[in-house]
Amino acid sequence: GEDVEQSLFLSVREGDSSVINCTYTDSSSTYLYWYKQEPGAGLQLLTYIFSNMDMKQDQRLTVLLNKKDKHLSLRIADTQTGDSAIYFCAEDSGGYQKVTFGTGTKLQVIP
Amino acid sequence: GAVVSQHPSRVICKSGTSVKIECRSLDFQATTMFWYRQFPKQSLMLMATSNEGSKATYEQGVEKDKFLINHASLTLSTLTVTSAHPEDSSFYICSAIRDSNSYEQYFGPGTRLTVT
Repeated sequence: GEDVEQSLFLSVREGDSSVINCTYTDSSSTYLYWYKQEPGAGLQLLTYIFSNMDMKQDQRLTVLLNKKDKHLSLRIADTQTGDSAIYFCAEDSGGYQKVTFGTGTKLQVIP
Repeated sequence: GAVVSQHPSRVICKSGTSVKIECRSLDFQATTMFWYRQFPKQSLMLMATSNEGSKATYEQGVEKDKFLINHASLTLSTLTVTSAHPEDSSFYICSAIRDSNSYEQYFGPGTRLTVT
């Protein structure tokens, strides 16, 4: 089955850039996603990238996709304390509209 | 926007009782809803896919008799945890898809279930 891995924890200082990494095993994804989960809340879709793209930029967010290495990353520029949350990558190789989530990376932003 | 609500947000129940969790799409009709379970410090695990008017499709290892899903309308899906046990304690999250061509899932805020 699909396997999506992330590092568990990342700590950055306010104003620095954050890079959250994700690796996956199934190469048949159509879309890959980044979700944000704040404490005690559901998930919010931050951004997504189509599998035939290498990069997507959306304001402070940059997504890089390396299909050869099956590696996805999310860069948050000028990280703010409000960015503190758990970030999940996800991919949809399991079927249309059915996503597999990564293990989640807890981002801590230090003022 | 697309808002999905869940009720209740928190519930504590005694072992052996059943608990119903509601998931509603407030401003759109959801062709498909999903139910996830999230353990502490772990990812979301898809439990089942629910389509309005038809039986839910359960993921491997999820007991359909224990986790009853009813998708009675295009705006409401319910998850009933039957004969709950302490190991069923978890954070349950639903999501909804607006239409069959959409890639985006809209998530509810989750329900924290504690079984004592």
